[in-house]
Amino acid sequence: QVQLVQSGAEVKKPGASVKVSCKVSGYTLSKLSIHWVRQAPGKGPEWMGGFDPEDGHGETIYAQNFQGRVTMTEDTSTDTAYMELSSLRSEDTAVYYCATSKASGWSIRFDYWGQGTLVTVSS
Amino acid sequence: QSVLTQPPSASGTPGQRVTISCSGSSSNIENNAVNWYQQLPGTAPKLLIYDNNQRPSGVPDRFSGSKSGTSVSLAISGLQSEDEADYYCAAWDDSLNGHVVFGGGTKLTVL
Repeated sequence: QVQLVQSGAEVKKPGASVKVSCKVSGYTLSKLSIHWVRQAPGKGPEWMGGFDPEDGHGETIYAQNFQGRVTMTEDTSTDTAYMELSSLRSEDTAVYYCATSKASGWSIRFDYWGQGTLVTVSS
Repeated sequence: QSVLTQPPSASGTPGQRVTISCSGSSSNIENNAVNWYQQLPGTAPKLLIYDNNQRPSGVPDRFSGSKSGTSVSLAISGLQSEDEADYYCAAWDDSLNGHVVFGGGTKLTVL
């Protein structure tokens, strides 16, 4: 059973960056397609991007809305995925989730979710 | 404004059957698989239906999904109080170099 445990809540000032971690247990990170989804208060989820582990030549696919501001990385030695968002603005206040699939390879079927990390951007 | 359109609310009484719709376009729903998620307050979304009409293990068969053209529907039969939640549809969209799109969500109230 895959478990995803995220880092704790963050409060940031506008213009700063935030880095959220997602620790994987019960499976090997290198074989998973980890995605990041955020949800602003009272709004629906918004996909930020995901990692395609295909054939060991994995690449990250970012949503165009976040291109240039978001970086998703992985540390396979610790089975931990990271999402860093820069140039924060108040509209980035949201709960950030990591999510992954039971299916192997690239999949947008999110069977497993982290508990969420609240990022608050406020001056 | 969400790419996938859902009614903001739906309601039913215990035991009833309710249906939640989700409409999109040829770049998402019509040519790609759709997933449905249930979200209880303060918790992460939970996968309810994948590939248009498949239930993950553990999801009751009271929940079913269907697809026709650019629209999908989630049906819940034998409505129970614990079904009160927000429901979201999601799909891959082939535009803008490809991305996942979600519906705006439907708040289901069990009266």
